[in-house]
Amino acid sequence: DSGVTQTPKHLITATGQRVTLRCSPRSGDLSVYWYQQSLDQGLQFLIQYYNGEERAKGNILERFSAQQFPDLHSELNLSSLELGDSALYFCASSVLAGPEGTQYFGPGTRLLVL
Amino acid sequence: AQSVTQLGSHVSVSEGALVLLRCNYSSSVPPYLFWYVQYPNQGLQLLLKYTSAATLVKGINGFEAEFKKSETSFHLTKPSAHMSDAAEYFCAVSGGSGNTGKLIFGQGTTLQVKP
Repeated sequence: DSGVTQTPKHLITATGQRVTLRCSPRSGDLSVYWYQQSLDQGLQFLIQYYNGEERAKGNILERFSAQQFPDLHSELNLSSLELGDSALYFCASSVLAGPEGTQYFGPGTRLLVL
Repeated sequence: AQSVTQLGSHVSVSEGALVLLRCNYSSSVPPYLFWYVQYPNQGLQLLLKYTSAATLVKGINGFEAEFKKSETSFHLTKPSAHMSDAAEYFCAVSGGSGNTGKLIFGQGTTLQVKP
């Protein structure tokens, strides 16, 4: 158990819908990362927050947005869902914001868009 | 830009045999390198990481990796494979511009261990 929790574990929805994925980092970790894992794209970095502020952005679609709240939990919002958004979404947390920090991954949320 | 290449999407070894999973990286700055393991239907678990303190890095479950700057490689090894090692393994790099910890992953290598 990494100490990072993600809810829900599974999500099935329809095209055009909007969903929210939630992540609670390990106690004391200020940095939260979101990654997408799909068969065709592999593991891709989406976005990073550090202590409530956006720190870095990766290949995140405009239909996707995220935020980190004062209690440090984070939410990833996916809207106007398409079939191709079906993937495993991971959250990871780290004490540090920079590259030297070890990231601990949550169990993921498996999203299926029908 | 940073990138990672894992040679071989599938590796099969016999139980007790040497495990060698290959990873080559590209980075314009001194990299931080990581190996993660993913068991079926689970998240990623850190095996080991390189942060320039020592070129030979020892990790959990008997795995180790050697950083070779001249070859831009960070191959993962284990002297004797166990059935429980069957999983998918990811090499990752961080440390690019912007001082962010974002990880760039390789495509992954699935390790099969035969009895």
